[in-house]
Amino acid sequence: EAGVTQSPTHLIKTRGQQATLRCSPISGHTSVYWYQQALGLGLQFLLWYDEGEERNRGNFPPRFSGRQFPNYSSELNVNALELEDSALYLCASNGGQGWTGELFFGEGSRLTVL
Amino acid sequence: AQSVTQLDSQVPVFEEAPVELRCNYSSSVSVYLFWYVQYPNQGLQLLLKYLSGSTLVESINGFEAEFNKSQTSFHLRKPSVHISDTAEYFCAVSEGGNEKLTFGTGTRLTIIP
Repeated sequence: EAGVTQSPTHLIKTRGQQATLRCSPISGHTSVYWYQQALGLGLQFLLWYDEGEERNRGNFPPRFSGRQFPNYSSELNVNALELEDSALYLCASNGGQGWTGELFFGEGSRLTVL
Repeated sequence: AQSVTQLDSQVPVFEEAPVELRCNYSSSVSVYLFWYVQYPNQGLQLLLKYLSGSTLVESINGFEAEFNKSQTSFHLRKPSVHISDTAEYFCAVSEGGNEKLTFGTGTRLTIIP
């Protein structure tokens, strides 16, 4: 069974540009979570999608947005990139069979903003 | 609001020595607690969790953690570490069972041969 897959693995952008990151959850999982892992800051919760709807949002500006498609894959968009957006962006999925706290993570997309 | 503190950013330990990785949380309601591990060049994976019941929980590779409500702690321990335990360990909390995990800043465990 395939795990959570993310693309691209690496992405280099310049300030002011837009970045789009993609995530495919484990087959059968309906919830997708996005986290930002910046150096020294741990994982910061960004967004949670379930059944195509945004369920919760972390303390990030509106230029961080996303969506979930009918096949439960998800996209994270970051507009007007700033240098401090450089980080590893992790996607995770959950089986939806009641919340047990187990998230299945992808290996991440590393975004570098120059 | 829930928060998690991992005071030790790096912990070096000799092989076969015991280790404790500290985790404290802050919450005004009941919590679920977790330890996730990130091995080099891999994604995070769940190591162990406390949802309810026995306050001592164990993983399949010899780690254990104890939920201490009075001290709001969930420290991770292993009596004898191996080289393969080299990884970054993240403590996380879910407040009131809601579907949002708040992570600590992580502790990098380095095993010295």
